[in-house]
Amino acid sequence: EIVLTQSPATLSLSPGERATLSCRASQSVSSYLAWYQQKPGQAPRLLIYDASNRAIGIPARFSGSGSGTDFTLTINSLEPEDFAVYYCQQRGNWPRTFGQGTTVEIK
Amino acid sequence: VQLVESGGGVVQPGGSLRLSCVASGFTFSTYGMYWVRQAPGKGLEWVTFIQYDETNIKYADSVRGRFTISRDNSKNTLFLQMNSLRAEDTAVYYCVKDLITGTPGYYMDVWGKGTTVTVSS
Repeated sequence: EIVLTQSPATLSLSPGERATLSCRASQSVSSYLAWYQQKPGQAPRLLIYDASNRAIGIPARFSGSGSGTDFTLTINSLEPEDFAVYYCQQRGNWPRTFGQGTTVEIK
Repeated sequence: VQLVESGGGVVQPGGSLRLSCVASGFTFSTYGMYWVRQAPGKGLEWVTFIQYDETNIKYADSVRGRFTISRDNSKNTLFLQMNSLRAEDTAVYYCVKDLITGTPGYYMDVWGKGTTVTVSS
């Protein structure tokens, strides 16, 4: 099983600042990584797939990068609606696995 | 595109439940589908996947042998039969559509609102 480790666990930032979230895989997943956003009481939403492709309707301030074992989600100029929990997920192997999540909270 | 889950509830350990998910707004019969769960206050856990034509089915180790995924493409409905339920199966269960048609498990695109399963005596 591929283990995904996200860091930091919590990120405290102010609106307008840049958020940088990390996801590290226990073995290479090539570029087969996605990022999801989840707000309290809501289902997750797909943001990024194949490491760097934005899903339909996702604002350009969200970007993803990386390959192999190290990946980054960057949110440029945080908007109030961006404060949420973010998960990475790999499709390199079965079982599909998620990271434990990074909470982006308002400072 | 919409996914609506039902069938959750409270069940005793060792009991069974059958979850359903009715899909609309897309050609259900051409997409793989997932069940993903989230225990209270915890992260996301992939549970199972079924390819559009049922030729490829996968389970997490934690549910293999107890849960069965199936689909009825004529009724645009996904199912999850859950047997021998344990306290650790307590979670919100989400029905999720694959991102791309015809693939053996790509990414999790559209999510339902979820149905809550509580296993408790």
